[in-house]
Amino acid sequence: SQQGEEDPQALSIQEGENATMNCSYKTSINNLQWYRQNSGRGLVHLILIRSNEREKHSGRLRVTLDTSKKSSSLLITASRAADTASYFCATVLAGGGKLIFGQGTELSVKP
Amino acid sequence: GAVVSQHPSWVICKSGTSVKIECRSLDFQATTMFWYRQFPKQSLMLMATSNEGSKATYEQGVEKDKFLINHASLTLSTLTVTSAHPEDSSFYICSARGVGETQYFGPGTRLLVL
Repeated sequence: SQQGEEDPQALSIQEGENATMNCSYKTSINNLQWYRQNSGRGLVHLILIRSNEREKHSGRLRVTLDTSKKSSSLLITASRAADTASYFCATVLAGGGKLIFGQGTELSVKP
Repeated sequence: GAVVSQHPSWVICKSGTSVKIECRSLDFQATTMFWYRQFPKQSLMLMATSNEGSKATYEQGVEKDKFLINHASLTLSTLTVTSAHPEDSSFYICSARGVGETQYFGPGTRLLVL
C-alpha cells in the first residue's frame, strides 16, 4: 500500500513563482527522498533528507521534514518552465531499505 | 556516474507471449535492484526486490510465477513478464542501489500487450 499522501495533486504556476509540494506519511522512516519524473520518463533523484534532519537545500530546492507531524515539503524557488514534471516523495521505512512512493504532484510551470 | 539503463525502452507484443526487460547498472555494482510498475497518471508501485545471487522478494499481490526476476550479476537484473495479457500493459521501471542509500532509476520500459 502507498505510504505517502501528497498535495496538491496538481499545481499550475507562472514562471518565476515558487512551488510548494507537501508529503505526509504514516510510519516511522529512516529517510525521505524527493524525485522528479518528466512525462513518460524515468525518475531523477532530487534530494534525500534523513529522519534526524529538519531542512536541506540543493540549488533552488528546499526540503523540510517534520517527523512529529510525519510530513515533508519540497519548495522550488524561482520556477522555470523546465521544472514542469511530476514530483514524488518516497520514504525508506525504519529498518527497511525499500522505497515507498507517494501519489505525486503534477507541476506545470507556464512561461 | 550512477547510470542505469533499461532495454528495450518500449515493446509491443501479442497476448500470451513472454517479454524480457533488462536493467543494467553501467558504472557501479548494484547489490540490490528493484522493479516498479507505473500505470498512467499514477505513482510507482514496488513489485519486487532482488539481490544478486538470491531469489527476489515479491510484494504482496505480485505473482512471482508471472513476473520472473533474475539478478544474475552485480550489474544486471531481468524481469520477464510471462504469458502477457493486455492488463499487464504498463510502464516498468527498475532501480539499482550500490553501497549507499540512493536508488538510481532506469528510464523505464513501456509495455503494450495487444
